[in-house]
Amino acid sequence: DSGVTQTPKHLITATGQRVTLRCSPRSGDLSVYWYQQSLDQGLQFLIQYYNGEERAKGNILERFSAQQFPDLHSELNLSSLELGDSALYFCASSVSGTSGSLKTQYFGPGTRLLVL
Amino acid sequence: KNEVEQSPQNLTAQEGEFITINCSYSVGISALHWLQQHPGGGIVSLFMLSSGKKKHGRLIATINIQEKHSSLHITASHPRDSAVYICAVRKWVGGADGLTFGKGTHLIIQP
Repeated sequence: DSGVTQTPKHLITATGQRVTLRCSPRSGDLSVYWYQQSLDQGLQFLIQYYNGEERAKGNILERFSAQQFPDLHSELNLSSLELGDSALYFCASSVSGTSGSLKTQYFGPGTRLLVL
Repeated sequence: KNEVEQSPQNLTAQEGEFITINCSYSVGISALHWLQQHPGGGIVSLFMLSSGKKKHGRLIATINIQEKHSSLHITASHPRDSAVYICAVRKWVGGADGLTFGKGTHLIIQP
């Protein structure tokens, strides 16, 4: 158990809908990262938050957004869903948020999203 | 061309064999991670390296920064080692920290 929790574990929805994925980082971790794993693209970095502020953006679509709340949990919002958004969405956390600090990332169990 | 390349893509071996998985990258990095993903989907971080070599139990990870290459070795392999092993790098991008991933090596250890 990494200490990172994600809800829900599974989500089935229809095209055009909007969903919210939730992540609670390990106690004491200030950084939250969101990753998408699909069959065709593999694992991709979406976005990073550090202590409530957006730190970096990866391959995140404009239809997707995220935020980190004062209690450090994070939510990833996916809107106008398409079939191709079906994937595993992972959240990870680490103590720090800069390249120079070299702290490992701990992954949550993931949310499996199926868009029908 | 992908920034992180792994080989082999698939590997089947017999229990007890010495396993090597390779990772090459083409960008400047601050650290390299080796991750393990089991069939259930969960991802576990095995190692984070910025130089040299690390060992944990039967797993050994090495990195050569000059050659931009890393290897993951498994000694005395066991069927429970069957998983996808993923190499990921943390690029030097102005304080940002997201990982860039290889496509993974699917390892099967047969009893």
